[in-house]
Amino acid sequence: QVTLKESGPALVKPTQTLTLTCTFSGFSLSTSGMRVSWIRQPPGKALEWLARIDWDDDKFYSTSLKTRLTISKDTSKNQVVLTMTNMDPVDTATYYCARTMNSGYDWFLDYWGQGTLVTVSS
Amino acid sequence: SSELTQDPAVSVALGQTVRITCQGDSLRSYYASWYQQKPGQAPVLVIYGKNNRPSGIPDRFSGSSSGNTASLTITGAQAEDEADYYCNSRDSSGNHLGVFGGGTKLTVL
Repeated sequence: QVTLKESGPALVKPTQTLTLTCTFSGFSLSTSGMRVSWIRQPPGKALEWLARIDWDDDKFYSTSLKTRLTISKDTSKNQVVLTMTNMDPVDTATYYCARTMNSGYDWFLDYWGQGTLVTVSS
Repeated sequence: SSELTQDPAVSVALGQTVRITCQGDSLRSYYASWYQQKPGQAPVLVIYGKNNRPSGIPDRFSGSSSGNTASLTITGAQAEDEADYYCNSRDSSGNHLGVFGGGTKLTVL
């Protein structure tokens, strides 16, 4: 059974760095083909893809947020960590992590965490 | 702005068929995946690849693609299908970056 769960602060101040942890079970990020993505959703708005890390430690970032994001993994703990620097109120959103699989050249997000709401406010 | 374009809202009568579309240059090369999101819940994968349904997704959900447009079709829409639907694919550069559509709010009348 695959599960993922996001954890991190519910409230951060502007200019601070956000650190979110995705703890998962039911698969290993050391297995070929496994990937984990981060996605966010501001209240009442659309989903936005943020970043992805692959089993071979390849990392990919949203072009618009690339300078602020860092993704990493701890395979022994079954965790993926996302950091976002210089937080701003517009970054207020629910942040999700999701297992990412591929079908040929296409990939999809087959299991999602419940999401964690992060509010940026002074 | 999103590289995948969806109609903001679509409605369908109970039991009828509805198609939700997603347009973007990357869809000429890659298939979209589709996600259903109900209020207060995480998205759920409903279609991936050419036309694949994860286990537990009813067979009234199907996917198709033509040119730069991907479509999600619900044949015989049910009240519980009322939700937001998002398409997702690789970005148009062909890199390993993801992109979501702006979402379509489906209302079942």
